[in-house]
Amino acid sequence: GENVEQHPSTLSVQEGDSAVIKCTYSDSASNYFPWYKQELGKRPQLIIDIRSNVGEKKDQRIAVTLNKTAKHFSLHITETQPEDSAVYFCAASKSGGGADGLTFGKGTHLIIQP
Amino acid sequence: EPEVTQTPSHQVTQMGQEVILRCVPISNHLYFYWYRQILGQKVEFLVSFYNNEISEKSEIFDDQFSVERPDGSNFTLKIRSTKLEDSAMYFCASRRQVGAWETQYFGPGTRLLVL
Repeated sequence: GENVEQHPSTLSVQEGDSAVIKCTYSDSASNYFPWYKQELGKRPQLIIDIRSNVGEKKDQRIAVTLNKTAKHFSLHITETQPEDSAVYFCAASKSGGGADGLTFGKGTHLIIQP
Repeated sequence: EPEVTQTPSHQVTQMGQEVILRCVPISNHLYFYWYRQILGQKVEFLVSFYNNEISEKSEIFDDQFSVERPDGSNFTLKIRSTKLEDSAMYFCASRRQVGAWETQYFGPGTRLLVL
């Protein structure tokens, strides 16, 4: 089955700086890659996703890049703010008509230092 | 904005007891999921459900687990004989299928503690 590796496990950046979180996946048939943000004790919330037919997607301060050849995708957050502090999970699935569940990475605890 | 809801928010049970976790997916959604998250760990897929049957299940989802859509709105996860290692946060999720690659929306979770 699919295996998703996520790095780093903890990332501390100064407010205003950029943060980058990286994930790799193992199943070349995976074609949908969402990123979820989870605040302490709360539900995972989708912040951005990317399909395998594009290489990059941006939404304000958040961007995701996908390299299908390397089976690698990354989350980029620019101009970080205190409210960006949370655990971020990458995930992969073989979406496209089926009901495939998401395989998650182990999460990155992002800490924004004031 | 409609959201997935789950009840109860917390459940404490004795080992060996049966528990039923309840979810109300978003009303026009067709695919339903259960995930679990052991404290401090990643979210793990348990099962997906479509058209009143299981579509996919992980190796975690053994014979102790079952899912049901008893009516037009609820989606339940039953654990027949709970074990200590079943203690976790259980998330329900749902999505539509207009086309491929629809977002899964998560509920707030039920924290299950098995003593």
